[in-house]
Amino acid sequence: EDQVTQSPEALRLQEGESSSLNCSYTVSGLRGLFWYRQDPGKGPEFLFTLYSAGEEKEKERLKATLTKKESFLHITAPKPEDSATYLCAVQGAGKSTFGDGTTLTVKP
Amino acid sequence: DSGVTQTPKHLITATGQRVTLRCSPRSGDLSVYWYQQSLDQGLQFLIQYYNGEERAKGNILERFSAQQFPDLHSELNLSSLELGDSALYFCASSVGGVKNNEQFFGPGTRLTVL
Repeated sequence: EDQVTQSPEALRLQEGESSSLNCSYTVSGLRGLFWYRQDPGKGPEFLFTLYSAGEEKEKERLKATLTKKESFLHITAPKPEDSATYLCAVQGAGKSTFGDGTTLTVKP
Repeated sequence: DSGVTQTPKHLITATGQRVTLRCSPRSGDLSVYWYQQSLDQGLQFLIQYYNGEERAKGNILERFSAQQFPDLHSELNLSSLELGDSALYFCASSVGGVKNNEQFFGPGTRLTVL
């Protein structure tokens, strides 16, 4: 069965303090690894898709990387508006599987 | 705005009742997914349809059912409602296929069972 584990569960940063979120996965036949951002009470917002080990994607202060066993979401010089829950998901041969997310709080 | 619409936004009902949640996918998307998210919990995958056919099933209760219609909109039916069914229900859509599986989520329907 496909599994996704995200760590840490919660992360508190000062504005400008860079860090990384981890997503470890096991999947049968990876068809894509996805990162989403979710604000409280709202639907997740798509950020990135990664398909193969070594691939990297960037968007503003966010950079996603992928290895054969895990993915990292690097946040450089975060701002308070980056505060949200970040979800990782994998698509295997069957259904997609989401992790429980990392809740990021960025203090000014 | 993801382009996925869900109605209604809020629904308050009583235990034992039946409700129907509706979802319209983004233009051109063939896959529709339904998720349940209870307070402070992760997204629980319920079911996926692709071009009208059931593609994958998650932990969907027997009291719940769904379908995707020829115009690609989807409905999630919840019956014999219990207090524990109170949650946010999200619909998502994707193009589908081997790639193009990034999902675009609607704003959700907040269901409260009293």
